Amino acid sequence: NAGVTQTPKFRILKIGQSMTLQCTQDMNHNYMYWYRQDPGMGLKLIYYSVGAGITDKGEVPNGYNVSRSTTEDFPLRLELAAPSQTSVYFCASVRDLGDGYTFGSGTRLTVV
Amino acid sequence: GENVEQHPSTLSVQEGDSAVIKCTYSDSASNYFPWYKQELGKGPQLIIDIRSNVGEKKDQRIAVTLNKTAKHFSLHITETQPEDSAVYFCAAMNYGGSQGNLIFGKGTKLSVKP
Repeated sequence: NAGVTQTPKFRILKIGQSMTLQCTQDMNHNYMYWYRQDPGMGLKLIYYSVGAGITDKGEVPNGYNVSRSTTEDFPLRLELAAPSQTSVYFCASVRDLGDGYTFGSGTRLTVV
Repeated sequence: GENVEQHPSTLSVQEGDSAVIKCTYSDSASNYFPWYKQELGKGPQLIIDIRSNVGEKKDQRIAVTLNKTAKHFSLHITETQPEDSAVYFCAAMNYGGSQGNLIFGKGTKLSVKP
């Protein structure tokens, strides 16, 4: 198993540009999550999904969108990039609630 | 909703000493408490977890204790080694049915000096 795979690893965007952060897991996990990590602030939940076709907002969803058309994939979309979205983004998944999440290696995004 | 406070934010110990990181949570219904280790440039990795029906759990040099009455839980690392240097995150969750998300503390940067 490759686990949770995130692409790209690094990206620089200009203000107003859009992009999609990709996340794929091959563990047949039901639940998937997107977090952002800012220095000294821990991990903040952006969006999550409890299964294919079902998504919901987390703590900091503004400026982002997600979709979950398959069990494996959970892309995160930024439509109009802003400097406040400069962060490291982590995707995570878990088979059942009450188990430990498996995290990807992250995408470092800079908006200039 | 749940709120998790983590202390200290930075911790420096000498190799071989013990390290303790403490977390408090606000939602008395929380029933799952994992700890993650994040090395530089990598994603968080689960190192140990505990459920609310257990007071303590050990795995070699790592242990976690849970006090449900006081709503706090702690990570204990004994005989620290330089490779233990990393950022550690605690988290809490109330899982029931099909809902529940992990809420993370802000992290503790542990430095182990050789």
